[in-house]
Amino acid sequence: EDQVTQSPEALRLQEGESSSLNCSYTVSGLRGLFWYRQDPGKGPEFLFTLYSAGEEKEKERLKATLTKKESFLHITAPKPEDSATYLCAVQTFSGGYNKLIFGAGTRLAVHP
Amino acid sequence: EAQVTQNPRYLITVTGKKLTVTCSQNMNHEYMSWYRQDPGLGLRQIYYSMNVEVTDKGDVPEGYKVSRKEKRNFPLILESPSPNQTSLYFCASSFLEGGGDSPLHFGNGTRLTVT
Repeated sequence: EDQVTQSPEALRLQEGESSSLNCSYTVSGLRGLFWYRQDPGKGPEFLFTLYSAGEEKEKERLKATLTKKESFLHITAPKPEDSATYLCAVQTFSGGYNKLIFGAGTRLAVHP
Repeated sequence: EAQVTQNPRYLITVTGKKLTVTCSQNMNHEYMSWYRQDPGLGLRQIYYSMNVEVTDKGDVPEGYKVSRKEKRNFPLILESPSPNQTSLYFCASSFLEGGGDSPLHFGNGTRLTVT
């Protein structure tokens, strides 16, 4: 069964304290892996797409990496405005169409 | 401004009273989809539409209906809501099936409570 698992469920960091969020997946055929950011009371916002193992993408303090079984979202020197829930989604081909499977997310809180 | 608009943002109703949640996008996207978000479960797809008059079931379609009569609109209909449909609902759209270089654009959600 296709599955996406994110860890930890919640993470509390001090401002400037770097860390990583994990997204592990088990799917029959990976077409792409996506990271989204979700702020309270809002819909998810797209951050990155990764297609193949070894690929990396960066945006400000965030860097996403991909292996054959997992992806990491590295946060370098985070600021309070980075506090949000980060969602990982994997695209696979199932039932004749491209299907997105979302993880449950990691709630990140960055304190000054 | 490019956006997906859902209404209402909050809705409290009683069991069995039919309701509709509207969704509209202004980006000329072919693909639209409805998700529900529950704690610990992530986003689960209810229904999706590849284009006008083309809709199909997602992972959790029971108790829901949709229609796609115009490209920009994709309403979600609960004919007889039950308490287990209490959830946070998101509408999303994209040019393709939410992947590749055409990621999903999400609305800001509708929080539904069924008592």
